[in-house]
Amino acid sequence: DTEVTQTPKHLVMGMTNKKSLKCEQHMGHRAMYWYKQKAKKPPELMFVYSYEKLSINESVPSRFSPECPNSSLLNLHLHALQPEDSALYLCASSQEPGQGYSPLHFGNGTRLTVT
Amino acid sequence: ILNVEQSPQSLHVQEGDSTNFTCSFPSSNFYALHWYRWETAKSPEALFVMTLNGDEKKKGRISATLNTKEGYSYLYIKGSQPEDSATYLCASYILTGGGNKLTFGTGTQLKVEL
Repeated sequence: DTEVTQTPKHLVMGMTNKKSLKCEQHMGHRAMYWYKQKAKKPPELMFVYSYEKLSINESVPSRFSPECPNSSLLNLHLHALQPEDSALYLCASSQEPGQGYSPLHFGNGTRLTVT
Repeated sequence: ILNVEQSPQSLHVQEGDSTNFTCSFPSSNFYALHWYRWETAKSPEALFVMTLNGDEKKKGRISATLNTKEGYSYLYIKGSQPEDSATYLCASYILTGGGNKLTFGTGTQLKVEL
């Protein structure tokens, strides 16, 4: 069982819809991440939150809007997405931010399809 | 090397075979190298985090080595079992002015057949 919980597991949305992806961890980790993975490609970093503050935004289009309401929760708000945004979205957490020796703990991901 | 590269892309072995894969990464500004195992329909699971040149780590039948000077790491699986079938990802943690981050390779997909 994963200690990082992502909902929903699958999401199909139209280009005019607004939806949110949710991620939760209760390990007391202070860093949380959003990654995007398309088929046959490596996971690509989108956002990093350190101590509930956005520390890295990898030039992600504004149609993706992250939010960290508290130390356990991470949301990704989606609006006006394009079909090419269809991908697996992975949430992860690590004990401390900015320390490469902390392994990432991943959720199972949300499979997003934009129609 | 500017990106993290893994080889081979995929591998089919028989149960009981030993196998190994390679991860190549930029050697400048290196801080740490991670290995993850990703089974189908599950989440990626951390295997090792390695930071020092010459590091060797072991977990059961799986071991890894690290050469930070030349920018490569090897993952070894001894006596492969069907439950070892998964995608093995490596990721290099690099210190940059724009923010320290973990960059993943495309993975090696391992299939162990009976």
